[in-house]
Amino acid sequence: SQQGEEDPQALSIQEGENATMNCSYKTSINNLQWYRQNSGRGLVHLILIRSNEREKHSGRLRVTLDTSKKSSSLLITASRAADTASYFCATDREYGNKLVFGAGTILRVKS
Amino acid sequence: GAGVSQTPSNKVTEKGKYVELRCDPISGHTALYWYRQSLGQGPEFLIYFQGTGAADDSGLPNDRFFAVRPEGSVSTLKIQRTERGDSAVYLCASRTSGSSNEQFFGPGTRLTVL
Repeated sequence: SQQGEEDPQALSIQEGENATMNCSYKTSINNLQWYRQNSGRGLVHLILIRSNEREKHSGRLRVTLDTSKKSSSLLITASRAADTASYFCATDREYGNKLVFGAGTILRVKS
Repeated sequence: GAGVSQTPSNKVTEKGKYVELRCDPISGHTALYWYRQSLGQGPEFLIYFQGTGAADDSGLPNDRFFAVRPEGSVSTLKIQRTERGDSAVYLCASRTSGSSNEQFFGPGTRLTVL
């Protein structure tokens, strides 16, 4: 079963705008990761945040984690058409353990 | 280096048939995972290997599903007496030992059961 939910389910923005996606989960976690999936292709790892971290940056990506609310957000700044994809959050409860994915957010960036 | 590869990329079979899906992990990755993704959903965990042994098979839906990794590298997911509900994309991922749980995914095998 899915760990949690992402919202929104779908997001459509103009190139250059920022995109924010949220993820909620149900149990305690060790790490939370965000993955991107382009149409017809495999999942690509974007960023990992540990349960004792609150914010992390990687290029145009910013991830926050609030373990008290069991939620995370992914911000993509200055979006590009190439960012069009599905974005999934995934959690694990201990190192090496299985990933539990949400249902994903479909992002469309219009040029 | 090469990423995770999966074969075949597409498999169409008839209800009741047996299928095998293959995963070649990244060389040197000791951990290997199988997930299943239905349309519009996130991947769901099936089984996890550490070396040759299944460390966690709690995600296998029933005894028609079985997976092996005899030499600690290539893995095969086997599905007996396929049902239409088995239709999905089957994803394989591998991970190296270390402090991160970042998993590297293959392109998947799209299984269609008619």
